Formats: sequence, C-alpha cells, structure tokens
Amino acid sequence: GAGVSQSPRYKVAKRGQDVALRCDPISGHVSLFWYQQALGQGPEFLTYFQNEAQLDKSGLPSDRFFAERPEGSVSTLKIQRTQQEDSAVYLCASSATGWSFGYTFGSGTRLTVV
Amino acid sequence: AQRVTQPEKLLSVFKGAPVELKCNYSYSGSPELFWYVQYSRQRLQLLLRHISRESIKGFTADLNKGETSFHLKKPFAQEEDSAMYYCASRTDKLIFGTGTRLQVFP
Repeated sequence: GAGVSQSPRYKVAKRGQDVALRCDPISGHVSLFWYQQALGQGPEFLTYFQNEAQLDKSGLPSDRFFAERPEGSVSTLKIQRTQQEDSAVYLCASSATGWSFGYTFGSGTRLTVV
Repeated sequence: AQRVTQPEKLLSVFKGAPVELKCNYSYSGSPELFWYVQYSRQRLQLLLRHISRESIKGFTADLNKGETSFHLKKPFAQEEDSAMYYCASRTDKLIFGTGTRLQVFP
C-alpha cells in the first residue's frame, strides 16, 4: 500500500481484556517497529522485526505484551489482561532496510483502558 | 544508554520571528540524529536527518558534537510551522525526546 496502515484507529478495552493491534507496513519494507506513546510523551520503543524475525523486544514493558510478524509483512501487537497504564497511542513504523533510513509511521491506534 | 532531551515543552513565537528548538543527546559514540514533526491530526513524519545536511521547509539543524546538541532552527517562523517536533537519536534503535510544541501566532 501507499503507507503504513494501522487498525483499529481507536480501541476501548475494559481492564483485564485482551487486545490485538494490527500493522500493515509498506509493501516490501523489511523492517517493522512498534512504539508506545503516552499522553504528553515522545514515542517509546517497544520492539523491532526484520522480516519475520523479532530482533529486539527490549522495550516491551511486561510479559503481557507480545508481538508477532509470522510472514514478514503484517504484524500484530497483542496486550493481554490490559491495565489502565496501557492506555496510549501505539505507533507502527516500517523501513526499507534495517536501520539505515528514516521510518514511515502509521497513524497509530489509540488504546483506552477503562 | 541513549537519551534525548528536549527541555522545552512549549515554544510560542510570532510569525516572522526566529525559532530554535533545543535538543541534546547523551551518547558517547556517533549516533544518527533526526527531527520528526507531527502536524495536527497527521501522522509523525521525518523532517530532516543530520547526515543529509539539508534544509527542509526552511528548517536546518546542526550537529554539535562538543555540546552533544542538535538544535532545530528557522530564521522566520510561519503559522503553518505550528506542530509537535520530536528530536530522535539512533544507534541500534530510534529513541525520541519528549517533544516540543511550537505555536506560531499571526
């Protein structure tokens, strides 16, 4: 596609509910990144894929967070047993090569846990 | 560890005034530095990269290794420059500052 697509745009979850956030990167982009942006903060790195391999997951805040990219294209970020502190905008970005160029960001998914 | 500091949460200027958005990074090596911009209701987008030494929309940024700074400057601000600006540093991953909101008044 023409850009990075994320769905849903908005998600309201009850505390304790599981959620799945989808990212469709630019076709052919090898690298995919997830960021979490809390209100009033800059984006915080969560995890990075190169093709289907998850090369860095050091930013995932807890084991309730899980990301996958099984076929090296679409990625899903799953949050289990959501907590209020998980409320944030989740951004996905893709890049044509590993670390060497600027990233193209999606519009994000705004998650609100009530 | 990498860290990017943007000391100002908000910068307000009048149209035509010079603008400088401050950014300092903490890393002893040679990271790549970037400025990203997010206009209202739009997605985050790359503004400029230090290695390109480019001027985009009248903005420039000079890497000062001695002061570990990468301040963003524009000599004459325009109303359409109003946005959130994020400085970012990359070694093994892209790390963002907390952002500065630029408001340009008519």
